[in-house]
This record gives sequence, structure tokens and C-alpha cells, in this order.
Amino acid sequence: DGGITQSPKYLFRKEGQNVTLSCEQNLNHDAMYWYRQDPGQGLRLIYYSQIVNDFQKGDIAEGYSVSREKKESFPLTVTSAQKNPTAFYLCASSYVLSYNSPLHFGNGTRLTVT
Amino acid sequence: AQKITQTQPGMFVQEKEAVTLDCTYDTSDQSYGLFWYKQPSSGEMIFLIYQGSYDEQNATEGRYSLNFQKARKSANLVISASQLGDSAMYFCAMREANAGNNRKLIWGLGTSLAVNP
Repeated sequence: DGGITQSPKYLFRKEGQNVTLSCEQNLNHDAMYWYRQDPGQGLRLIYYSQIVNDFQKGDIAEGYSVSREKKESFPLTVTSAQKNPTAFYLCASSYVLSYNSPLHFGNGTRLTVT
Repeated sequence: AQKITQTQPGMFVQEKEAVTLDCTYDTSDQSYGLFWYKQPSSGEMIFLIYQGSYDEQNATEGRYSLNFQKARKSANLVISASQLGDSAMYFCAMREANAGNNRKLIWGLGTSLAVNP
């Protein structure tokens, strides 16, 4: 079955450590996205990528970095510069970057930094 | 200004009854897409239904239908014959065709639906 796989489901880190969240898709989608979800705030866009080797900042990119070396993969690194990294992170993909192209999401990674 | 408004923080419905979840939106674009997603307590975000701004018919997907009233800028989700498994958060979202905005979904804050047996 096609889908988006995020791993791990839960992640615990100490302050000051960088951590990388994995996202893989086998839907053959061109566009991929990372969102952050905090209670009561809805989803906020961190980074997105329209094609391989290209990515753009979203609304809250500070303290995060991404890469898109393969069409299937879009890992997110949460750096020590991110002030409030504890959150639920959702990766998504869409066929193309277009207003009528639905996003399909992975199961999410819950990151806790202490 | 809020672009997507979901006015019902929480809703209850009896099993097997229909329920309507409200969503109003604000945009000056002529071309846009409206989406509904379901998020169970496990966390995954499940795409339910899509309505394009030029679509003349209301979208339907199984037990889900979208009551699209363009002049009112309203895109309500109707779930028919509710099931216990429908208990979840439901999010309305919009994506505008404007080149500066088409990269992202604009989200409402969600409605928590509880289905009672």
C-alpha cells in the first residue's frame, strides 16, 4: 500500500541536542511538507519542497533544517536553536504543489525535549 | 484575520445520526480548494474530502459530503450515519491558488466530535 511513513513515533531528547525526524513516501508525489502541531494552535508550516533538491521555508522555519536528496525522502532536523521544540510533527506529501492537490499525511512524530 | 473559522469547538452526536460540522472561510482568490481532515486521538491526519471553488456539485465521499455555499463562503462537512469510529478532531482547511499562498494549507482550529453509543 502507498503511504507516508514517519519514524520514530515518539522521540525524547535533551536540550541542546539536534534531532532528525524521518519521512518517507512511496506515493510518487513531487511535493512534500513538514508541519508542526501544538495544542490549540492548529498546524503551522515549517518547510516544503516542490521537487528534489529544492525546498523553501514555511511560516516557522527558524531552528529547523531539511534536505530533499531523493523524491521519496524529506527528513527534518530540529536544531538546538529551536526554542520550543516539544511538539507533534507531521510530514505530508501532495501530487504537485497546487491549490487543488490534497495533502496526505504520515502518522506523526511526537518530540519531547527536556 | 482568521481565514478559516470553525465555530464549534466540540460536538456530540448519537450513533447512526447525521452531524454537520461548520466551516466558514475568507479569501479574495477566485480559485481555491477546501479540504476536510480527520484526526483521531492516535494523531494521524486523514484526508476526507475536497471541494474546488469552481465545482458546481457538492463533493461526496462515502458517508462524507460537503455542503458548499460559495456566496456565504461556507463549506460544512456532513457525516451521515455516524459511527463510534468517527469520534475525532475534524479540521477544515483551504489552499489558495495565489502563487504566494498555494504552497500551504490554511487551517481552522478544529471541531472535536464525540459519537455516543
